[in-house]
Amino acid sequence: NAGVTQTPKFRILKIGQSMTLQCTQDMNHNYMYWYRQDPGMGLKLIYYSVGAGITDKGEVPNGYNVSRSTTEDFPLRLELAAPSQTSVYFCASRRSPENNEQFFGPGTRLTVL
Amino acid sequence: KQEVTQIPAALSVPEGENLVLNCSFTDSAIYNLQWFRQDPGKGLTSLLLIQSSQREQTSGRLNASLDKSSGRSTLYIAASQPGDSATYLCAAGNTPLVFGKGTRLSVIA
Repeated sequence: NAGVTQTPKFRILKIGQSMTLQCTQDMNHNYMYWYRQDPGMGLKLIYYSVGAGITDKGEVPNGYNVSRSTTEDFPLRLELAAPSQTSVYFCASRRSPENNEQFFGPGTRLTVL
Repeated sequence: KQEVTQIPAALSVPEGENLVLNCSFTDSAIYNLQWFRQDPGKGLTSLLLIQSSQREQTSGRLNASLDKSSGRSTLYIAASQPGDSATYLCAAGNTPLVFGKGTRLSVIA
């Protein structure tokens, strides 16, 4: 199993540009998550999904959108990128919240200039 | 709202020392508590998961305990090695899983 994979690893955007961060897991996990990690801070939840077709907002959803058309994929869309969205983005998955580990992807480092 | 605090923020120890990292949380109604390791520029690697009905978990030189009544978890690392140098994060809850800011550990050879 590849686990949780993310693309791209790095990206530089100009203010106002848009992009999609890709996340795929091959563990047949129902739950998937997007976090952002800013320097010296803990991880903040952006969006999550409990299964295909179901998504919900986390703590910091503004400026982002998600979709979950399949169990495997959970892309994160940034519209009109702003410097405040400069961060490292992590995708994660778990089979269910009760008694199961959360597994993380390697992250996407995004800079908005 | 769940809040997770990790103390200390940074720790430097000589190789071979046993050490304890602390994690406290405000809401004891948690499904489980998970400890992660993060190396610089990398993602998070799961170390130990303690289910809410358990009091501790062990993996090799690592032992994590959970005391829900006091809102505390500890990660014990035995016989520390330079390769243990990393940031250790704890996370509590369900969805959302709430993370502490981490303890940055340096093990000096």
